[in-house]
Formats: sequence, structure tokens, C-alpha cells
Amino acid sequence: GENVEQHPSTLSVQEGDSAVIKCTYSDSASNYFPWYKQELGKRPQLIIDIRSNVGEKKDQRIAVTLNKTAKHFSLHITETQPEDSAVYFCAASHAGNMLTFGGGTRLMVKP
Amino acid sequence: DADVTQTPRNRITKTGKRIMLECSQTKGHDRMYWYRQDPGLGLQLIYYSFDVKDINKGEISDGYSVSRQAQAKFSLSLESAIPNQTALYFCATSVGDPNTGELFFGEGSRLTVL
Repeated sequence: GENVEQHPSTLSVQEGDSAVIKCTYSDSASNYFPWYKQELGKRPQLIIDIRSNVGEKKDQRIAVTLNKTAKHFSLHITETQPEDSAVYFCAASHAGNMLTFGGGTRLMVKP
Repeated sequence: DADVTQTPRNRITKTGKRIMLECSQTKGHDRMYWYRQDPGLGLQLIYYSFDVKDINKGEISDGYSVSRQAQAKFSLSLESAIPNQTALYFCATSVGDPNTGELFFGEGSRLTVL
């Protein structure tokens, strides 16, 4: 089955700096890669996703890149703000399969 | 607003007790899921259901059972709780296959087994 590894497990940045979270996956058939954000004490919520027919997707200050050959994808957050502090989860799946989640990254943005 | 609701939100119980976590949704979605969250392990799928008569095991189904009582209700049971089932449990729904769109999570149920 699919295995998704996520790094780093914790990340601390200064407000205004960029943050990058990386995930690798094992199943070359995976073609859908969402990212979920979980604020402290809240439920996970989808913030961005990418499919294997594109290499990059942007939404304001967040972007996701995908390298199918290397089987890794990354979340990039620019101009970080305190409200970006949360746990971020990557995931991967393909048709007929459930999502497999990474272990999560706790991002702390210091004012 | 349409939502996914879990009860109880917090529960402390003792080893060997039977526990039921309930999930109801007003989103009108057919597909419902139960996930377990442990620090550093992300979200692990316990069971999922694509309609009322459909039940499927996920990655970590041992020690758990589920019941899909109606399109809007999906319950998770621990027949005999053990301490390593202490975790945060999330119910989720989706419109279609998980690889076609968003999972909508409930607020979570924190279970502590002493």
C-alpha cells in the first residue's frame, strides 16, 4: 500500500519568512495530493490540492509543487503570519484508494 | 450551515469498558469515514462507508467496529477499550471518492482510556 513520509515534524520560522514542508510517497499510481491544515483544537481543513497532471499550483501565499519522477511534493508558504501556525498534513491517493496521510508538521510562526 | 457533528467531544473511560462515538452529518454526503489521530502518526483510517449497506475496513480496524445507521449517521464502537486506544478520533464525509475532492471533518472526539 501507499506510504507517505512528511518532513520536518516541527518547523519554527520568523514572521514574514517562508516555510517549506516536504512529503514523499511510495505508490507511483498516486495522482491526488491534498494538504490539510489543523489549527490548535480544531478540525483538519483542506487548504490546497494538486493532481498529477500539473507540476505546481498557487493560491495567494501558499503553493504546492509536485515531482512525479522523484515521487515527492511540497507545500510552500510565503510571508508567514502568526495565523499560519498549525499542524499541516499531506496526503496521497489514486482512484479506488483511500487517502494516506503523512505524520504531520507542526509549524510555529514567531512574531 | 451544513456540518459534521461528533458526540461526545471528550470521554474518559476505563480499560475493558464499551465505548461508542457517534457522528451525524447534515451535508447530504454518502461517504463517511472514521480516522484516528496520534501525535506524529498523522490521520489513520479505521473504517469507511460509501452508503448505508456498505462497511469497509481501513488501515487500523482491529479493536473497532462501526455501524451505519442511516445516510447521515456513522458510529464507531470500541467493544473493550484498552489504553493504547487513547487518541483523538475524527469522523469525516466526502461527496465522492477521496481522490476526487475534499474530506469534511467533524470537531473530533478525544478519548482517554485509563
